[in-house]
Amino acid sequence: GQQVMQIPQYQHVQEGEDFTTYCNSSTTLSNIQWYKQRPGGHPVFLIQLVKSGEVKKQKRLTFQFGEAKKNSSLHITATQTTDVGTYFCAGRYAGNNRKLIWGLGTSLAVNP
Amino acid sequence: GAVVSQHPSWVICKSGTSVKIECRSLDFQATTMFWYRQFPKQSLMLMATSNEGSKATYEQGVEKDKFLINHASLTLSTLTVTSAHPEDSSFYICSASPTSSHSYNEQFFGPGTRLTVL
Repeated sequence: GQQVMQIPQYQHVQEGEDFTTYCNSSTTLSNIQWYKQRPGGHPVFLIQLVKSGEVKKQKRLTFQFGEAKKNSSLHITATQTTDVGTYFCAGRYAGNNRKLIWGLGTSLAVNP
Repeated sequence: GAVVSQHPSWVICKSGTSVKIECRSLDFQATTMFWYRQFPKQSLMLMATSNEGSKATYEQGVEKDKFLINHASLTLSTLTVTSAHPEDSSFYICSASPTSSHSYNEQFFGPGTRLTVL
């Protein structure tokens, strides 16, 4: 079935270290989105990737979409305490343009 | 822009009672809204897709008679948890996609409703 796997589940880093979370689907995605949820908050949209091999940057965040459109990654350079939260990927498959299939999320903790 | 409100933000009720949660898109129209459930430190579980003017589409394993969804207008969807039991205690979050085609892919989330059933 349609499923999006996300690893790692948890990541604990020192402030200034880099962080990466990965998402993988067994079948081709039409697009993938990334969200951030702060503790006690609700998910907030970060970005959407649509094209094969697409790379997008938002300041210290780099998002990649694989060539086969089956995997994606979010990389944070030089983490800060404000990066703390859970990062979710959510993918869409062809034929269902509105329904998102969510990964389990990666919880990031940053030691100051 | 693109704000989604949810009411109430938290509710405590007795077992057997029904609870209604409202989800409103404040500055855009949403043909489609989504209802999620989230357990502590877990991912979002899609419960149902709410479609304005038609029946909601429920995910497998979600009881439609237990979780009643009404999407009567382009800015309001409601979720009613009927005959609530302690196992229904959870964080319920709604999201909405703007009807306008250029941004329909992005989902905007409400702040969530924390339901505690005693």
